[in-house]
Amino acid sequence: GAGVSQTPSNKVTEKGKYVELRCDPISGHTALYWYRQSLGQGPEFLIYFQGTGAADDSGLPNDRFFAVRPEGSVSTLKIQRTERGDSAVYLCASSRGTSGRTDTQYFGPGTRLTVL
Amino acid sequence: SQKIEQNSEALNIQEGKTATLTCNYTNYSPAYLQWYRQDPGRGPVFLLLIRENEKEKRKERLKVTFDTTLKQSLFHITASQPADSATYLCALGKTSYDKVIFGPGTSLSVIP
Repeated sequence: GAGVSQTPSNKVTEKGKYVELRCDPISGHTALYWYRQSLGQGPEFLIYFQGTGAADDSGLPNDRFFAVRPEGSVSTLKIQRTERGDSAVYLCASSRGTSGRTDTQYFGPGTRLTVL
Repeated sequence: SQKIEQNSEALNIQEGKTATLTCNYTNYSPAYLQWYRQDPGRGPVFLLLIRENEKEKRKERLKVTFDTTLKQSLFHITASQPADSATYLCALGKTSYDKVIFGPGTSLSVIP
């Protein structure tokens, strides 16, 4: 079956620009997560959705980062006024959501964001 | 603050041998620990979850131990194959409501 998909796979932008990263979770998965991964590091939690609402956004680094999931399926991570330090791979994961965060998370391939 | 450490150096082993990867943590009391595999250019893939009241868990050629006294988990791959070459990440969680925290990963290369 179809896994988690993310678009675009690569995004190059200039400092100060606005970007949107999209995540299509596995159909029927109510939980959705965004992570950021820098080279040589593990994924760093950003935000967790249960349905349409953000159940935990404590990992968002500052108010330039925002994420939505209006219909409880597709999610968009939005970054305003990008900075070079935002360059990383942004990973999305989804899970059934029946056992909280211990449910198996299925990750997408990520979007590599490069801010010049 | 909590800290998770994995083998700092890449691990190279001969095909057929057992690979052992470590995950150590400090300033944290996880209720469970997960291991993931990540290939270049791909997202992590879940392998195993072990809870604090479980000492050991097995799945095919994989074995995970969890020692809450030592604050350490060991991840073993027996009869290793070149296809096992990847980065392996450990991740810790406190409850089903808390975020999962990932370690930096260990790169494993299995040499034919």
